[in-house]
Amino acid sequence: NAGVTQTPKFRILKIGQSMTLQCAQDMNHNYMYWYRQDPGMGLKLIYYSVGAGITDKGEVPNGYNVSRSTTEDFPLRLELAAPSQTSVYFCASRLTSGAYEQYFGPGTRLTVT
Amino acid sequence: AQSVAQPEDQVNVAEGNPLTVKCTYSVSGNPYLFWYVQYPNRGLQFLLKYITGDNLVKGSYGFEAEFNKSQTSFHLKKPSALVSDSALYFCAVREVRDYKLSFGAGTTVTVRA
Repeated sequence: NAGVTQTPKFRILKIGQSMTLQCAQDMNHNYMYWYRQDPGMGLKLIYYSVGAGITDKGEVPNGYNVSRSTTEDFPLRLELAAPSQTSVYFCASRLTSGAYEQYFGPGTRLTVT
Repeated sequence: AQSVAQPEDQVNVAEGNPLTVKCTYSVSGNPYLFWYVQYPNRGLQFLLKYITGDNLVKGSYGFEAEFNKSQTSFHLKKPSALVSDSALYFCAVREVRDYKLSFGAGTTVTVRA
């Protein structure tokens, strides 16, 4: 199993540009999550999904969109990049309801200038 | 609502000494509690979790954590720290019926040789 994979690893965007951060998992996990990590702030939840076709907002959804057309993939879309979106983004997944831990991808480091 | 507090930004210990990383939590119902570790430029790795039952939970790499319901704490411990334990540690909580984890801000552990 590759686990949770994320692409790209690094990206520099100009203000106003758009991009999609890719996330895929091969563990047949129903639940998937997107977080951003800023220094000293821990992880903040952006969006999550409990299954294909179902998504919901987390703590900090503004400026982002997601879709979940398959169990495996959960892309995160930034439509109009802003400097405040400079961060490290992590995708995570877990099996289903119950006391299961989340598995994290390696992260995407995004800089908006 | 649920939240986690990690009162120490940094913990410094000498190799071979005991290591403790503190965590307190707040949830409206029963909690699932987790510890994760993050090495530089990597994603988060699961260390251990508390679901129910025995208050002392053992996890990966010789770590353990003690659940204390009356003090709403879940401190991470290791009897004898190694230099390789130097990393960023996150405590997280999820109310049993919720989908989402809430993370603390993280504690940086430095183990000196």
